[in-house]
Amino acid sequence: NAGVMQNPRHLVRRRGQEARLRCSPMKGHSHVYWYRQLPEEGLKFMVYLQKENIIDESGMPKERFSAEFPKEGPSILRIQQVVRGDSAAYFCASSLKTGRSAEAFFGQGTRLTVV
Amino acid sequence: KQEVTQIPAALSVPEGENLVLNCSFTDSAIYNLQWFRQDPGKGLTSLLLIQSSQREQTSGRLNASLDKSSGRSTLYIAASQPGDSATYLCAVRLGDSSYKLIFGSGTRLLVRP
Repeated sequence: NAGVMQNPRHLVRRRGQEARLRCSPMKGHSHVYWYRQLPEEGLKFMVYLQKENIIDESGMPKERFSAEFPKEGPSILRIQQVVRGDSAAYFCASSLKTGRSAEAFFGQGTRLTVV
Repeated sequence: KQEVTQIPAALSVPEGENLVLNCSFTDSAIYNLQWFRQDPGKGLTSLLLIQSSQREQTSGRLNASLDKSSGRSTLYIAASQPGDSATYLCAVRLGDSSYKLIFGSGTRLLVRP
């Protein structure tokens, strides 16, 4: 059973370009969470999705950021018109369910560098 | 608002030493607390998860304790090894229906041979 798979592992974008980060949850997991880690900081919650639904996007910047988790395929975190401040490691986690017994498993992360 | 603080931010110890990493949180109404390890440029590996009703958890040379009332957790590493060098993150989960993890900024540990 493969773990949470994120790709690409490293992504370099010029200012103004779009960044698309992909996350394939563990097999059977239908809950996906995205976190961002700025340099020398802990992880910060961004968004929680279930299949085809955004449940909580309270940690997402209001502009340029969007996320989806389609019925088929990986979850996508999209950043439009990237700026230098978007440079960070973006981690995806998945869980089998939410609530009491849910434990989230993290992927290796995508390190975005905006030049 | 829940805040998680980890001290020290960095720690360097000689091999073989026992050490303690500290984590504090401002709101004692947590559901569980989890310790993670993060190697440079890598993802997070879960080390120990303590439910709010538990006082401690052990795995090999690692022991994590939880004192909800005082808002503190410690990660004890016995007989440290160079392979333990990494950043250690603690995270709390709020409430039994919540899914968000609130992370501390981590402690960077270097174990010198």
